[in-house]
Amino acid sequence: GQQLNQSPQSMFIQEGEDVSMNCTSSSIFNTWLWYKQDPGEGPVLLIALYKAGELTSNGRLTAQFGITRKDSFLNISASIPSDVGIYFCAGLLKGRRALTFGSGTRLQVQP
Amino acid sequence: NAGVTQTPKFRVLKTGQSMTLLCAQDMNHEYMYWYRQDPGMGLRLIHYSVGEGTTAKGEVPDGYNVSRLKKQNFLLGLESAAPSQTSVYFCASALPLGSLFFGEGSRLTVL
Repeated sequence: GQQLNQSPQSMFIQEGEDVSMNCTSSSIFNTWLWYKQDPGEGPVLLIALYKAGELTSNGRLTAQFGITRKDSFLNISASIPSDVGIYFCAGLLKGRRALTFGSGTRLQVQP
Repeated sequence: NAGVTQTPKFRVLKTGQSMTLLCAQDMNHEYMYWYRQDPGMGLRLIHYSVGEGTTAKGEVPDGYNVSRLKKQNFLLGLESAAPSQTSVYFCASALPLGSLFFGEGSRLTVL
């Protein structure tokens, strides 16, 4: 199946630091999505991107749909303890009806 | 508004036993999905459905069967459970081309 390479696998940062993570693929995606999963919960949508080059913010979160349509980035500014969790990228290939997910980035924030 | 509800939340099976996971959504979504989540593997698609009475295979369908007899329900069955099926299972629903809404997950252990 199609693969999304998500990096880094994990991050341990201090409260107040900025965070960046990304997903790349050899395939072209029509849609990129970023989800967050808290322990014991299902993933929750953070940001959806629908156009190449699109830059969208949701509070302290900013995500971009890469120009080549093969990658996407998520930035978190001024991290806080409640940012802890696993962040997943997901992409939708043209003509497909199901998302492909990255393997996740586990974020830990030291108060 | 309950959203996506999965039952049971936890289950322990012996190898060879069968069971069914139930997913119910009250958002009138056309599409429904079953994913499994394993450490370091992200979310992998098992089966999905784009409407009542239709199902399709995902990335890892072997050992599972599904049914979508009613629009609001999507059942995942294991006919003969194996230890390799120990995982956390997530159901999700969506409108066509819409973002996925996930349930809280069902943790299955096969001994």
